[in-house]
Amino acid sequence: DADVTQTPRNRITKTGKRIMLECSQTKGHDRMYWYRQDPGLGLQLIYYSFDVKDINKGEISDGYSVSRQAQAKFSLSLESAIPNQTALYFCAIYRVETQYFGPGTRLLVL
Amino acid sequence: ELKVEQNPLFLSMQEGKNYTIYCNYSTTSDRLYWYRQDPGKSLESLFVLLSNGAVKQEGRLMASLDTKARLSTLHITAAVHDLSATYFCAVDAGSGTYKYIFGTGTRLKVLA
Repeated sequence: DADVTQTPRNRITKTGKRIMLECSQTKGHDRMYWYRQDPGLGLQLIYYSFDVKDINKGEISDGYSVSRQAQAKFSLSLESAIPNQTALYFCAIYRVETQYFGPGTRLLVL
Repeated sequence: ELKVEQNPLFLSMQEGKNYTIYCNYSTTSDRLYWYRQDPGKSLESLFVLLSNGAVKQEGRLMASLDTKARLSTLHITAAVHDLSATYFCAVDAGSGTYKYIFGTGTRLKVLA
């Protein structure tokens, strides 16, 4: 959905590096989400936020942190990347009774 | 803890045939969502089911929700190649959490 953008779209990093994935939305929706998708699997919720002061852990938050710098921006950080964090990462917003997903960031940790 | 299971995980079917994908979940919820994902792409919202007995249809796809059985179905009628994709259901975890638990997906391949 054009409302949600993610940067970068692809990223290769090395074990132990700290990296940040960024998500922006154009409409100022309250609810934002970060998911991880592994090949052949569904989506697992990492963190979600209802506004800049309301951030919640999801199912797999260990090794990740987030920041809601403004209503429109929700960033995901990997504090010290490890190879099993190699995955496709999606940001999503909630509007009109459903979630709309960004294009995804493909992350490879060597 | 809410668990969401889909079956089958893989489905290969001939064009023109009918089939049903099942989504079972483990705890009470009255909100269920279906999404489609094409290879290498993001997820696209297909259906939003917000109450027991809800039925939604779009083209050759029809989704329904039975909250008492904790079951949703996605029925495909007269499949065509363009329906080849991975289909996910997601369930609202409820209790005002506003978080959603996804099934593992059903990879559908429609053969010409």
